Amino acid sequence: DVKVTQSSRYLVKRTGEKVFLECVQDMDHENMFWYRQDPGLGLRLIYFSYDVKMKEKGDIPEGYSVSREKKERFSLILESASTNQTSMYLCASSLGASEGPQHFGDGTRLSIL
Amino acid sequence: AQTVTQSQPEMSVQEAETVTLSCTYDTSENNYYLFWYKQPPSRQMILVIRQEAYKQQNATENRFSVNFQKAAKSFSLKISDSQLGDTAMYFCAFRTYKYIFGTGTRLKVLA
Repeated sequence: DVKVTQSSRYLVKRTGEKVFLECVQDMDHENMFWYRQDPGLGLRLIYFSYDVKMKEKGDIPEGYSVSREKKERFSLILESASTNQTSMYLCASSLGASEGPQHFGDGTRLSIL
Repeated sequence: AQTVTQSQPEMSVQEAETVTLSCTYDTSENNYYLFWYKQPPSRQMILVIRQEAYKQQNATENRFSVNFQKAAKSFSLKISDSQLGDTAMYFCAFRTYKYIFGTGTRLKVLA
């Protein structure tokens, strides 16, 4: 079974802090994704990566950056956290082919105070 | 722009009954994949069912089946013999190069 592990289930940070969310997958998947989930808005793609050191902007990349130094790890970085980044963050991975479904982590509920 | 629309924010169904969740999408692509994902309360999102756009036959997975109408760009999910464990948020998703998700339908199965 594919396992996608997010480093924290709950996280509380202060405005202006630099925040790191980590995600690790154990199935050698090429693609990895970061989403934020907000009520009434569904899942919105922040960034995705289809290979090591490769990244592409999703629909809402502003205020975020990512890092993929190793195939199994994809990090989301909030450069200077703001209250409007309080949300549930979901990491996912999938095989490279288009038909591959995504496998999700448990999510990180991030609160910015 | 590619979009996915789930017009039913909330639904409820009695245990053992059948319920249909609707999903429409918009794309100019011809080859793509459609998915339904389930997110139980405070639990991980998991794949329910997948449909390849080039296949005319509707996908089925046990009590879950889809009604895929390519010309109408419609992809509804039917849950038969609903169970309490089906209570969850359901997301419709569409993939070509990247995934696009709908806003979700919160389904509650009533005992």
